[in-house]
Amino acid sequence: EVHLAEAGGGLVQPGGSLRLSCAASGFTFSNYDMHWVRQVTGKGLEWVSAISTTGDTYYPDSVKGRFTVSRENAKSSLYLQMNSLRAGDTAVYFCVRDRGRGLYDYWGQGILVTVSS
Amino acid sequence: ENVLTQSPGTLSLSPGDNATLSCRASQSVISSYLAWYQQSPGQAPRLLIFGTSNRATGIPDRFSGSGSGTDFTLTISRLEPEDFAVYYCQQYLTSPITFGLGTRLEIK
Repeated sequence: EVHLAEAGGGLVQPGGSLRLSCAASGFTFSNYDMHWVRQVTGKGLEWVSAISTTGDTYYPDSVKGRFTVSRENAKSSLYLQMNSLRAGDTAVYFCVRDRGRGLYDYWGQGILVTVSS
Repeated sequence: ENVLTQSPGTLSLSPGDNATLSCRASQSVISSYLAWYQQSPGQAPRLLIFGTSNRATGIPDRFSGSGSGTDFTLTISRLEPEDFAVYYCQQYLTSPITFGLGTRLEIK
């Protein structure tokens, strides 16, 4: 059974940094592109980053230059390094598996990141 | 970016009714790479429909998708209590991947 489990969320001050991790199981992690998607409480979904099987990375303009996605296939793990955090980055962050071309077939339960002083 | 507009924002219906949810894109969705997700309270989204009209694994045939170009529809027949949730459309393949703001399906 496919399982994705996020960790590393919490409260951080504006301008601070946080590193999220996602532990994957139940599938061959190295064979899939992986993404991060976030959701402001009670609001819609926003794509945050993507990493291909070959390590190519992609970001929307809203986080480009501040967030860095990486993966460690030997540990079936996905990471999101978030720097220069802003109040607008406060959200639940989901780790998601890309079935192909950005279609998300499995989601983690999400982890809350709160940016506040 | 391709902006997706969902309507209505909230839909109030009763179990047994049929629901029609709309998703309109600001640009044509390439090759119908349009998906629908269901999100129940406190849960992660779940893939329902991909490629405009293909049901994901385990999704009952009460759920159907249609459309092309910029106009897409999710139809839910014979609403069950567990169907009352928020539904999001998504266009994929084209970067940045974008979602609509959702339609909340609530019990009347």
